[in-house]
Amino acid sequence: KQEVTQIPAALSVPEGENLVLNCSFTDSAIYNLQWFRQDPGKGLTSLLLIQSSQREQTSGRLNASLDKSSGRSTLYIAASQPGDSATYLCAVRGGSQGNLIFGKGTKLSVKP
Amino acid sequence: ETGVTQSPTHLIKTRGQQVTLRCSSQSGHNTVSWYQQALGQGPQFIFQYYREEENGRGNFPPRFSGLQFPNYSSELNVNALELDDSALYLCASSLRTSGGNEQFFGPGTRLTVL
Repeated sequence: KQEVTQIPAALSVPEGENLVLNCSFTDSAIYNLQWFRQDPGKGLTSLLLIQSSQREQTSGRLNASLDKSSGRSTLYIAASQPGDSATYLCAVRGGSQGNLIFGKGTKLSVKP
Repeated sequence: ETGVTQSPTHLIKTRGQQVTLRCSSQSGHNTVSWYQQALGQGPQFIFQYYREEENGRGNFPPRFSGLQFPNYSSELNVNALELDDSALYLCASSLRTSGGNEQFFGPGTRLTVL
């Protein structure tokens, strides 16, 4: 059974810092991995999707990497801003039509 | 904006009642998935509908049921509500292709069971 773990559960940093969020999964046979952002009480906003054949994806100040063999992904946020404060969720899909399996998220707080 | 809408935004019910949550998918998306997110947890997969038929189910009892309609809308029905059903319910729509289906999430419905 696939399990997704995110560390740390919460993170507080001063504005301007570069930071890394971690995601690990137990079954390396994934189809793709997706990072989401969730603001309090809101839905999910997709940030980056990495196919199993890819090593990384970039969007603006965000960079996500994938190491399937070790069951790990990282989300790198450069020059953090208070507006980045949110919960970041990692999810994996086992097959092309499969459902997403989520971690519990990392709650990020960026202090001005 | 993902083009996926959900209604209502918030809902309060009492234990034992029944509830219907609604989702309007992106135009052309033939697949809808529903997820339950308890406070402080990641979303948990409830079920998926493809072309109006259930096509995959998570570890949820039969009192969780759904419908998908030809106009890209869908419903999640929960009977005999329990206190633990209090959660944010998210729907996600996608277009099923041979290359997979990226899911686009709605804003969710917050259900409180008293």
